[in-house]
Amino acid sequence: AQTVTQSQPEMSVQEAETVTLSCTYDTSESNYYLFWYKQPPSRQMILVIRQEAYKQQNATENRFSVNFQKAAKSFSLKISDSQLGDTAMYFCAFVEIQGAQKLVFGQGTRLTINP
Amino acid sequence: KAGVTQTPRYLIKTRGQQVTLSCSPISGHRSVSWYQQTPGQGLQFLFEYFSETQRNKGNFPGRFSGRQFSNSRSEMNVSTLELGDSALYLCASSLGGAHSYEQYFGPGTRLTVT
Repeated sequence: AQTVTQSQPEMSVQEAETVTLSCTYDTSESNYYLFWYKQPPSRQMILVIRQEAYKQQNATENRFSVNFQKAAKSFSLKISDSQLGDTAMYFCAFVEIQGAQKLVFGQGTRLTINP
Repeated sequence: KAGVTQTPRYLIKTRGQQVTLSCSPISGHRSVSWYQQTPGQGLQFLFEYFSETQRNKGNFPGRFSGRQFSNSRSEMNVSTLELGDSALYLCASSLGGAHSYEQYFGPGTRLTVT
């Protein structure tokens, strides 16, 4: 069974700093997608960034970028120039490319950006 | 384009009752997935529907069921509610085809069982 592990339950940084959230996963599949989702307090889950496993190039979306290490099964999220609005729970998620869409989530990292 | 909508947003039910939650996907999306979110277990997959057919099911008892209509709207039903069913139930939609694995979430329905 696929598993996703986020080893940092909580993190806290100052505004404008750079922060990296860790995620490792376990799968025997070679084709899959990885995602980072953000869930602000009492608000909707938002897709932050995605990475296809067959692509070696790391995905980037504005201030958000990933470090995808397929052999190590590692998928970390870097947030540059952090903003107060980045305060949220961040979930790493995995889905196999096999038709049915079943996201497997990590336990989440609670990120707080301090002014 | 309107996002994923879920109704109702909040529900309070009594043990033993049943409940039906509704989800309307983004227009054009044919896949709807349901997840249960609790502080203890995190986010767990319940089931996924595509073109009115259940494609995958998570490890939940048979009390949890769902269906999808021809317009892609989906409902999930929980019968004989237990205290442990208290959770945020999230619905997510996606295009559902090959290489279309991005799921977009609704605001959730918070169910409290007393």
